[in-house]
Amino acid sequence: QQPVQSPQAVILREGEDAVINCSSSKALYSVHWYRQKHGEAPVFLMILLKGGEQKGHEKISASFNEKKQQSSLYLTASQLSYSGTYFCGTEGTGNQFYFGTGTSLTVIP
Amino acid sequence: DTGVSQDPRHKITKRGQNVTFRCDPISEHNRLYWYRQTLGQGPEFLTYFQNEAQLEKSRLLSDRFSAERPKGSFSTLEIQRTEQGDSAMYLCASGGQGIEQYFGPGTRLTVT
Repeated sequence: QQPVQSPQAVILREGEDAVINCSSSKALYSVHWYRQKHGEAPVFLMILLKGGEQKGHEKISASFNEKKQQSSLYLTASQLSYSGTYFCGTEGTGNQFYFGTGTSLTVIP
Repeated sequence: DTGVSQDPRHKITKRGQNVTFRCDPISEHNRLYWYRQTLGQGPEFLTYFQNEAQLEKSRLLSDRFSAERPKGSFSTLEIQRTEQGDSAMYLCASGGQGIEQYFGPGTRLTVT
């Protein structure tokens, strides 16, 4: 039931773009995206609710395809501060919340 | 500070001892989640409360783990007869259905 993320790891140069995908085998009510830096707790980025919406702020946006139970996170013009591990989190019709397998993102100068 | 707080931040205990962690959520949030995270892995769901009701508990959670949220405010997570495999970061988060979860700083447990 844990969502699967791809890629597992990515290295970018500053200014490059990246896409992180999240796929679930269960019907979803919402998808969350979090970023976690080493030794710190996860930090919320955005939430997408059932309805196929797309959200974004500044250079980070995301989409949610509820029919395919998939979500993608888009990072454009990456900055050094974007480095960390990105997790999607999925909430189904039940009460459990599952974090994805994680994607390690490294931005280099 | 109106964020999520956890206490203690670090706990070292000997195998077989009981430990208890506390989480104080953001006051207006009715949901409270407990997760466990080991190095290199994502947070693993343990249990969650809506107000004082414990609505879900992971099947991965053994009977040695118990959680309470007596008045729908703070929560405690107790681990009885700790084992070395219990060593991990224990994270608490608060939120509501369809809204983001705010995480506390975590309690790092080391079982020797």
